[in-house]
Amino acid sequence: EVQLVESGGGLVQPGGSLRLSCAASGFTFSSYWMSWVRQAPGKGLEWVANIKQDGSEKYYVDSVKGRFTISRDNAKNSLYLQMNSLRAEDTAVYYCARVLGWWLTPDYWGQGTLVTVSS
Amino acid sequence: QSALTQPRSVSGSPGQSVTISCTGTSSDVGGYNYVSWYQQHPGKAPKLMIYDVSKRPSGVPDRFSGSKSGNTASLTISGLQAEDEADYYCCSYAGSYIVVFGGGTKLTVL
Repeated sequence: EVQLVESGGGLVQPGGSLRLSCAASGFTFSSYWMSWVRQAPGKGLEWVANIKQDGSEKYYVDSVKGRFTISRDNAKNSLYLQMNSLRAEDTAVYYCARVLGWWLTPDYWGQGTLVTVSS
Repeated sequence: QSALTQPRSVSGSPGQSVTISCTGTSSDVGGYNYVSWYQQHPGKAPKLMIYDVSKRPSGVPDRFSGSKSGNTASLTISGLQAEDEADYYCCSYAGSYIVVFGGGTKLTVL
């Protein structure tokens, strides 16, 4: 059974940093692209970042470029999102998602972790 | 990276059919056959219902179907059931290794 479990969310002040983690199990983690997708309170889904199987390629939505970094550790079956210079508009539930192929369709999602940026 | 356009809400009675549209551009929906649809109940993670425009993952009822014409994709739910009441999101590959989601549609089962 595919399982994705996010952690690391919490309350952070504007300008602060946070690192999200996603522990994967039930599939061969190193064979899949992975994504982070976020959902602001009461709002829709927004793709944030993708990372290729070996970590060699990474892509970001414009609003987080230069502030967020996606990474992975295939030996630990883990995905990460380092978030710096956080803004109020980054407040959201952040989901880790497995992705189907290079066309990047998310298929399995974690339960999400809430990030709140507020003073 | 503009969001795809979905109606904010749709409704239907049990047993009826409803269709949710998802309009993009030739750079996303119209340019690739990689449209997917997700169901999200309140407080839950999204669930994949349709991928590659019209394919159903294992376990998804055949009451759910997808199609595409030009820059608009559609999700049709037939034989509406109470448990279908949820938010639905479309998603499309948009080239250059990015994806874009729709704004979401709230389905109410009357």
